[in-house]
Amino acid sequence: SQQGEEDPQALSIQEGENATMNCSYKTSINNLQWYRQNSGRGLVHLILIRSNEREKHSGRLRVTLDTSKKSSSLLITASRAADTASYFCATDVHSGNTPLVFGKGTRLSVIA
Amino acid sequence: GAGVSQSPSNKVTEKGKDVELRCDPISGHTALYWYRQSLGQGLEFLIYFQGNSAPDKSGLPSDRFSAERTGGSVSTLTIQRTQQEDSAVYLCASSLGSFGEQYFGPGTRLTVT
Repeated sequence: SQQGEEDPQALSIQEGENATMNCSYKTSINNLQWYRQNSGRGLVHLILIRSNEREKHSGRLRVTLDTSKKSSSLLITASRAADTASYFCATDVHSGNTPLVFGKGTRLSVIA
Repeated sequence: GAGVSQSPSNKVTEKGKDVELRCDPISGHTALYWYRQSLGQGLEFLIYFQGNSAPDKSGLPSDRFSAERTGGSVSTLTIQRTQQEDSAVYLCASSLGSFGEQYFGPGTRLTVT
């Protein structure tokens, strides 16, 4: 079963608006990562938040983590057309050597 | 610096043929991962190499799939007797350790006709 699930599956906004994507997961984690994918090719790492962190910022990105609810959100402020992409959360399970488990992603469209 | 590279970028093959996909990870990265992504879907984990440890093959969908990593660097994913359902983008990633940021290659788009 899927460890990480993004919500919504698709999001369409106007340029300049904020975009919020959510990720829920099922088991305890060491960290949670967000990645971006353009045009169905390689993913690019955006941000990593550790299980003992609650919020992290990187430029126009803001990530929150609520381990009690097993959820995370990615906020992109002042969106641009270039932000159009699919966004994935990825989690690593707390125990063992399981590699990252990716969700199915949120497809974000930013309309100029 | 050089990122993760994959070859070929596109591969069209006939059903029943074998294919080999190659991944060159970032130098010094001990962990290497293969994923498969079907159109509009998320990433499906296939196999994971970490240093000299035995690979985690738990994601390989069938015994037609195999992978090796030579000298702790280059990896080859082999699909034998390809089927149409094998059509997907195959992504390779590497990382310094097991749980950190993964660096992805551009992928190989495999089409089985």
